[in-house]
Amino acid sequence: GQQLNQSPQSMFIQEGEDVSMNCTSSSIFNTWLWYKQEPGEGPVLLIALYKAGELTSNGRLTAQFGITRKDSFLNISASIPSDVGIYFCAGTPNRDDKIIFGKGTRLHILP
Amino acid sequence: DAGVIQSPRHEVTEMGQEVTLRCKPISGHDYLFWYRQTMMRGLELLIYFNNNVPIDDSGMPEDRFSAKMPNASFSTLKIQPSEPRDSAVYFCASSLGAQVYGYTFGSGTRLTVV
Repeated sequence: GQQLNQSPQSMFIQEGEDVSMNCTSSSIFNTWLWYKQEPGEGPVLLIALYKAGELTSNGRLTAQFGITRKDSFLNISASIPSDVGIYFCAGTPNRDDKIIFGKGTRLHILP
Repeated sequence: DAGVIQSPRHEVTEMGQEVTLRCKPISGHDYLFWYRQTMMRGLELLIYFNNNVPIDDSGMPEDRFSAKMPNASFSTLKIQPSEPRDSAVYFCASSLGAQVYGYTFGSGTRLTVV
């Protein structure tokens, strides 16, 4: 089946640094979603992207829908301790398809 | 809006016992999903319903797993008999209409089978 490849799997950064993570697919996707999961909770939707080239921000978070439709990026600026968690990319090849999730990028922030 | 409500939050059971996980979706949502999360395999979709009807159960690991949605406000995931390899966090999620708008997840049930 279709898969999403997220990288890196894990990141250790200093508080205040910017973070960048990405997600790629082997086929074209029409929707890209970014979720964050905090310990002991379910994933929460951060940003949704519906158009190739689209750039959307949510506070310090910015995500982009790649022009090739096969990738997406998430950037976090000026990281803070509460940014710790697992970030999942997700997407759908077609609007009626179920959402496919990547395996996540685990973000650790050092004081 | 209370969100998606799952119970119990934690379940510890002995191998061979029956386990039932429960989910109340957000009122008005017409899709309901059951996921399993492990370190090795990440988030796996087990089954999903649309308007209480199972649409795709291809992710259900084996016959020991079954899911029902008797009405729009309640769903169960049952494992019988349970095995240690079933230990995982099980999430329920719901959505309204087209899935491109994303799912709302519950807080999950952490299942440990000893």
